[in-house]
Amino acid sequence: GAVVSQHPSRVICKSGTSVKIECRSLDFQATTMFWYRQFPKQSLMLMATSNEGSKATYEQGVEKDKFLINHASLTLSTLTVTSAHPEDSSFYICSAMLGGSSNQPQHFGDGTRLSIL
Amino acid sequence: GESVGLHLPTLSVQEGDNSIINCAYSNSASDYFIWYKQESGKGPQFIIDIRSNMDKRQGQRVTVLLNKTVKHLSLQIAATQPGDSAVYFCAEKGFNKFYFGSGTKLNVKP
Repeated sequence: GAVVSQHPSRVICKSGTSVKIECRSLDFQATTMFWYRQFPKQSLMLMATSNEGSKATYEQGVEKDKFLINHASLTLSTLTVTSAHPEDSSFYICSAMLGGSSNQPQHFGDGTRLSIL
Repeated sequence: GESVGLHLPTLSVQEGDNSIINCAYSNSASDYFIWYKQESGKGPQFIIDIRSNMDKRQGQRVTVLLNKTVKHLSLQIAATQPGDSAVYFCAEKGFNKFYFGSGTKLNVKP
């Protein structure tokens, strides 16, 4: 149980393109999802917290107009990297949490490798 | 912001030996901790968790120890196997968010 699916797994596109990444909780409802960014050989850096039915909460230094997050249902959150540039190339990972404020582990998708040419 | 850090960036062990991976955290108010395993090109995989009202928790071949006095967390893997080779992260929950440590790469030598 607690499966999180992320799509696509890999994207290669030209500079200036906007890219949408989907994160789905397949067998549970997730009121909260998280989006992370990971550079090679580094840790996961929290970008934003996605709450169903409300605006996402962004971490300091993350541009909300650059990284658009939509969490329209209890099983789907999307991250759109707008007008992507080479410096946006990274591994983007989403996670979903079963509980709200209770102590439950996050369950992660398998990430999206974004390469901007 | 909060920080969760690790003492050792890499750890090499012989197959069959026990492994110990350490983590230091900074927020004494954190009440929930998780260890994750990440294989190359994949998302983190849950290993074991522990709440702050406990100091030890055991799973299958893994044990997590929590020392709140010195804000230290460790993951012990018994009889380490080649399949355990991966990067291990500790994560700390604060303000309904999870903050990750810098990771330890575990190399298991056959």
